[in-house]
Amino acid sequence: QQQVKQSPQSLIVQKGGISIINCAYENTAFDYFPWYQQFPGKGPALLIAIRPDVSEKKEGRFTISFNKSAKQFSLHIMDSQPGDSATYFCAASRGQKVTFGIGTKLQVIP
Amino acid sequence: GAGVSQSPSNKVTEKGKDVELRCDPISGHTALYWYRQSLGQGLEFLIYFQGNSAPDKSGLPSDRFSAERTGGSVSTLTIQRTQQEDSAVYLCASSAQETQYFGPGTRLLVL
Repeated sequence: QQQVKQSPQSLIVQKGGISIINCAYENTAFDYFPWYQQFPGKGPALLIAIRPDVSEKKEGRFTISFNKSAKQFSLHIMDSQPGDSATYFCAASRGQKVTFGIGTKLQVIP
Repeated sequence: GAGVSQSPSNKVTEKGKDVELRCDPISGHTALYWYRQSLGQGLEFLIYFQGNSAPDKSGLPSDRFSAERTGGSVSTLTIQRTQQEDSAVYLCASSAQETQYFGPGTRLLVL
Protein backbone atom coordinates (compact mmCIF):
# COMPACT_ATOMS: atom_id res chain seq x y z
CA GLN A 1 0.00 0.00 0.00
CA GLN A 2 1.52 3.27 -1.13
CA GLN A 3 0.64 5.64 1.67
CA VAL A 4 2.37 8.65 0.11
CA LYS A 5 1.84 9.22 -3.60
CA GLN A 6 4.31 11.56 -5.31
CA SER A 7 4.15 13.06 -8.78
CA PRO A 8 5.58 13.60 -11.28
CA GLN A 9 8.35 11.02 -11.29
CA SER A 10 10.47 13.23 -13.51
CA LEU A 11 10.41 16.94 -14.27
CA ILE A 12 12.33 19.18 -16.63
CA VAL A 13 12.25 22.91 -15.94
CA GLN A 14 14.00 25.82 -17.58
CA LYS A 15 16.39 27.90 -15.51
CA GLY A 16 14.44 30.62 -13.74
CA GLY A 17 11.18 28.69 -13.88
CA ILE A 18 9.07 27.25 -11.07
CA SER A 19 9.37 23.57 -10.21
CA ILE A 20 6.33 22.00 -8.56
CA ILE A 21 6.21 18.52 -7.03
CA ASN A 22 3.04 17.14 -5.48
CA CYS A 23 2.38 14.58 -2.80
CA ALA A 24 -0.79 13.07 -1.36
CA TYR A 25 -1.15 11.02 1.78
CA GLU A 26 -3.80 8.76 3.22
CA ASN A 27 -3.11 8.43 6.93
CA THR A 28 -4.51 11.40 8.84
CA ALA A 29 -2.34 10.48 11.82
CA PHE A 30 0.76 11.81 10.06
CA ASP A 31 1.97 14.97 11.78
CA TYR A 32 5.25 15.85 10.09
CA PHE A 33 5.87 16.33 6.38
CA PRO A 34 9.49 16.74 5.27
CA TRP A 35 11.06 17.04 1.85
CA TYR A 36 14.45 15.51 1.18
CA GLN A 37 16.88 16.38 -1.60
CA GLN A 38 19.29 13.81 -3.00
CA PHE A 39 22.21 14.52 -5.32
CA PRO A 40 23.76 11.67 -7.33
CA GLY A 41 26.09 9.55 -5.23
CA LYS A 42 24.90 11.08 -1.96
CA GLY A 43 22.33 10.21 0.68
CA PRO A 44 19.13 12.26 0.92
CA ALA A 45 19.26 15.39 3.09
CA LEU A 46 16.44 17.33 4.71
CA LEU A 47 15.46 20.34 2.62
CA ILE A 48 12.39 21.75 4.34
CA ALA A 49 9.55 20.42 6.49
CA ILE A 50 6.09 21.43 7.65
CA ARG A 51 3.58 20.46 10.31
CA PRO A 52 -0.17 20.29 9.55
CA ASP A 53 -1.06 23.30 11.68
CA VAL A 54 0.27 25.70 9.01
CA SER A 55 -0.66 25.97 5.36
CA GLU A 56 2.63 27.24 4.00
CA LYS A 57 6.29 27.40 4.90
CA LYS A 58 8.94 29.26 2.95
CA GLU A 59 12.70 29.00 3.16
CA GLY A 60 14.50 31.00 0.52
CA ARG A 61 13.42 29.77 -2.91
CA PHE A 62 11.72 26.68 -1.45
CA THR A 63 8.08 26.69 -0.31
CA ILE A 64 5.86 23.92 1.00
CA SER A 65 2.12 24.36 0.51
CA PHE A 66 -0.05 22.16 2.72
CA ASN A 67 -3.74 21.37 2.29
CA LYS A 68 -4.91 19.39 5.30
CA SER A 69 -8.48 18.85 4.10
CA ALA A 70 -7.30 17.48 0.77
CA LYS A 71 -4.45 15.54 2.38
CA GLN A 72 -2.02 17.01 -0.11
CA PHE A 73 1.21 18.95 0.06
CA SER A 74 3.57 20.29 -2.53
CA LEU A 75 7.06 21.67 -2.96
CA HIS A 76 7.58 24.78 -5.04
CA ILE A 77 11.07 25.79 -6.15
CA MET A 78 11.09 29.37 -7.35
CA ASP A 79 13.71 30.67 -9.80
CA SER A 80 14.93 27.10 -10.38
CA GLN A 81 18.67 26.78 -10.97
CA PRO A 82 20.78 24.02 -12.58
CA GLY A 83 22.21 23.36 -9.10
CA ASP A 84 18.72 22.33 -8.00
CA SER A 85 18.91 19.32 -10.32
CA ALA A 86 18.46 16.38 -7.96
CA THR A 87 15.92 13.81 -6.82
CA TYR A 88 13.32 15.08 -4.36
CA PHE A 89 11.46 12.85 -1.92
CA CYS A 90 8.42 13.86 0.07
CA ALA A 91 7.69 12.00 3.28
CA ALA A 92 5.07 11.80 5.99
CA SER A 93 5.64 10.64 9.52
CA ARG A 94 4.26 10.22 12.98
CA GLY A 95 6.90 9.72 15.61
CA GLN A 96 9.68 7.59 14.23
CA LYS A 97 7.54 5.91 11.58
CA VAL A 98 8.32 7.53 8.22
CA THR A 99 6.83 6.85 4.80
CA PHE A 100 8.57 8.20 1.69
CA GLY A 101 7.18 9.05 -1.70
CA ILE A 102 8.69 7.42 -4.77
CA GLY A 103 10.82 10.45 -5.63
CA THR A 104 10.92 13.05 -8.41
CA LYS A 105 13.97 13.50 -10.57
CA LEU A 106 14.26 17.20 -11.36
CA GLN A 107 16.42 18.50 -14.17
CA VAL A 108 16.85 22.25 -14.54
CA ILE A 109 18.17 23.14 -17.97
CA PRO A 110 20.03 26.39 -18.72
CA GLY B 1 31.58 12.35 14.16
CA ALA B 2 29.63 15.00 12.35
CA GLY B 3 27.24 12.73 10.50
CA VAL B 4 26.18 9.19 9.71
CA SER B 5 28.97 7.08 8.30
CA GLN B 6 28.73 3.84 6.38
CA SER B 7 31.30 1.29 5.38
CA PRO B 8 32.39 0.08 3.00
CA SER B 9 31.47 2.77 0.50
CA ASN B 10 31.61 0.21 -2.31
CA LYS B 11 31.45 -3.56 -2.23
CA VAL B 12 31.79 -5.98 -5.11
CA THR B 13 31.04 -9.60 -4.32
CA GLU B 14 30.31 -12.84 -6.07
CA LYS B 15 26.90 -14.42 -6.14
CA GLY B 16 26.44 -16.71 -3.16
CA LYS B 17 28.84 -14.88 -0.85
CA ASP B 18 27.78 -13.21 2.40
CA VAL B 19 28.28 -9.47 2.93
CA GLU B 20 28.16 -7.22 5.99
CA LEU B 21 27.38 -3.54 5.75
CA ARG B 22 28.09 -1.21 8.65
CA CYS B 23 26.39 1.97 9.82
CA ASP B 24 27.67 4.38 12.46
CA PRO B 25 24.82 6.72 13.43
CA ILE B 26 25.05 10.19 14.87
CA SER B 27 25.92 9.95 18.55
CA GLY B 28 22.82 10.02 20.74
CA HIS B 29 20.36 9.16 17.98
CA THR B 30 18.10 6.42 19.26
CA ALA B 31 16.41 5.54 15.97
CA LEU B 32 18.25 3.90 13.08
CA TYR B 33 16.87 2.93 9.68
CA TRP B 34 18.08 0.86 6.75
CA TYR B 35 16.84 1.49 3.21
CA ARG B 36 17.65 0.04 -0.18
CA GLN B 37 17.77 2.15 -3.31
CA SER B 38 18.04 0.49 -6.69
CA LEU B 39 19.37 2.48 -9.64
CA GLY B 40 17.10 5.45 -10.24
CA GLN B 41 14.48 4.14 -7.84
CA GLY B 42 12.94 5.31 -4.60
CA LEU B 43 13.76 4.42 -1.02
CA GLU B 44 12.76 0.89 -0.08
CA PHE B 45 12.38 0.59 3.69
CA LEU B 46 14.13 -2.47 5.14
CA ILE B 47 14.24 -2.24 8.94
CA TYR B 48 13.99 0.24 11.81
CA PHE B 49 15.71 0.10 15.20
CA GLN B 50 14.70 1.94 18.35
CA GLY B 51 17.68 1.49 20.62
CA ASN B 52 18.82 -2.11 20.15
CA SER B 53 15.40 -3.53 19.34
CA ALA B 54 13.80 -3.71 15.93
CA PRO B 55 10.06 -2.98 16.23
CA ASP B 56 9.65 -3.00 12.47
CA LYS B 57 11.36 -5.60 10.30
CA SER B 58 8.60 -5.64 7.74
CA GLY B 59 10.74 -4.46 4.86
CA LEU B 60 13.37 -7.18 4.89
CA PRO B 61 12.98 -8.85 1.45
CA SER B 62 13.81 -12.40 2.53
CA ASP B 63 15.33 -14.43 5.33
CA ARG B 64 18.73 -13.90 3.69
CA PHE B 65 18.63 -10.38 5.12
CA SER B 66 19.24 -9.68 8.79
CA ALA B 67 20.34 -6.72 10.87
CA GLU B 68 21.46 -6.05 14.37
CA ARG B 69 22.33 -3.07 16.47
CA THR B 70 24.54 -3.21 19.52
CA GLY B 71 24.98 -0.72 22.35
CA GLY B 72 22.33 1.50 20.82
CA SER B 73 24.89 2.64 18.30
CA VAL B 74 26.51 0.75 15.41
CA SER B 75 24.34 -1.40 13.19
CA THR B 76 25.25 -4.09 10.70
CA LEU B 77 23.11 -5.31 7.84
CA THR B 78 24.00 -8.83 6.71
CA ILE B 79 23.02 -10.34 3.40
CA GLN B 80 23.62 -14.06 3.13
CA ARG B 81 24.05 -15.96 -0.13
CA THR B 82 23.90 -12.76 -2.17
CA GLN B 83 21.99 -12.71 -5.43
CA GLN B 84 22.41 -10.38 -8.40
CA GLU B 85 19.08 -8.71 -7.58
CA ASP B 86 20.60 -7.59 -4.26
CA SER B 87 22.77 -5.11 -6.19
CA ALA B 88 21.75 -1.65 -5.00
CA VAL B 89 22.75 1.22 -2.75
CA TYR B 90 22.08 0.49 0.90
CA LEU B 91 21.38 3.64 2.89
CA CYS B 92 21.39 4.05 6.63
CA ALA B 93 19.76 6.92 8.48
CA SER B 94 19.53 7.91 12.13
CA SER B 95 17.26 10.31 13.96
CA ALA B 96 16.64 11.78 17.37
CA GLN B 97 13.18 13.12 16.56
CA GLU B 98 11.48 13.32 13.17
CA THR B 99 14.31 14.37 10.87
CA GLN B 100 16.33 11.53 9.39
CA TYR B 101 20.03 12.04 8.72
CA PHE B 102 21.31 9.78 5.98
CA GLY B 103 24.73 8.35 5.41
CA PRO B 104 26.35 8.29 1.97
CA GLY B 105 25.37 4.69 1.36
CA THR B 106 27.12 1.47 0.46
CA ARG B 107 27.06 0.57 -3.22
CA LEU B 108 26.77 -3.19 -3.49
CA LEU B 109 27.42 -5.01 -6.74
CA VAL B 110 26.82 -8.73 -6.91
CA LEU B 111 28.47 -10.38 -9.91
